[in-house]
Amino acid sequence: GQQLNQSPQSMFIQEGEDVSMNCTSSSIFNTWLWYKQDPGEGPVLLIALYKAGELTSNGRLTAQFGITRKDSFLNISASIPSDVGIYFCAGSQAGTALIFGKGTTLSVSS
Amino acid sequence: DAGVIQSPRHEVTEMGQEVTLRCKPISGHDYLFWYRQTMMRGLELLIYFNNNVPIDDSGMPEDRFSAKMPNASFSTLKIQPSEPRDSAVYFCASSFGQGSSPLHFGNGTRLTVT
Repeated sequence: GQQLNQSPQSMFIQEGEDVSMNCTSSSIFNTWLWYKQDPGEGPVLLIALYKAGELTSNGRLTAQFGITRKDSFLNISASIPSDVGIYFCAGSQAGTALIFGKGTTLSVSS
Repeated sequence: DAGVIQSPRHEVTEMGQEVTLRCKPISGHDYLFWYRQTMMRGLELLIYFNNNVPIDDSGMPEDRFSAKMPNASFSTLKIQPSEPRDSAVYFCASSFGQGSSPLHFGNGTRLTVT
């Protein structure tokens, strides 16, 4: 089946640093979504991307839908302790359910 | 908006017992999804429904797993008999539309089978 390769698997950074993570696929997707999961909770949507090349921001978060439609990245600027959690990319093709990457676990030390 | 509601939050049971997980989707959403999350495999799609009808159950691990959606506001995921390898967090999610429509997740049921 289709797979999303998300990297890195984990990150340990200092408060104030910028963060970058990405997702790639061997298939073309027409939607990319980024979710964050806090401990003991379900994933929550951060950013949705619907068009190749689209660049969208949500506060300190910025995500882009790759031109090839096979990748996406998420950047977090000036990280803070509450950014800690697991970040998931998810993609879909027309008429199919979302497929999730395995997640990037972010740790922020103050 | 109460969000997607799952129950119970935690379930501990012995191998061989029947387990039933419950989900109430967001009112008005026409798609409902069941996911399983483990460290090894991440978030796996088990089954999803559209307007209460199962559309794709290819992710259901084996015949011990079954899911129903008797009406637009309720779904169950049943495991009978349960095994220790079924231990995971099970999430229900709903959306209005599919694919490009964002999923709204519940807070999950953490299942432990001893």
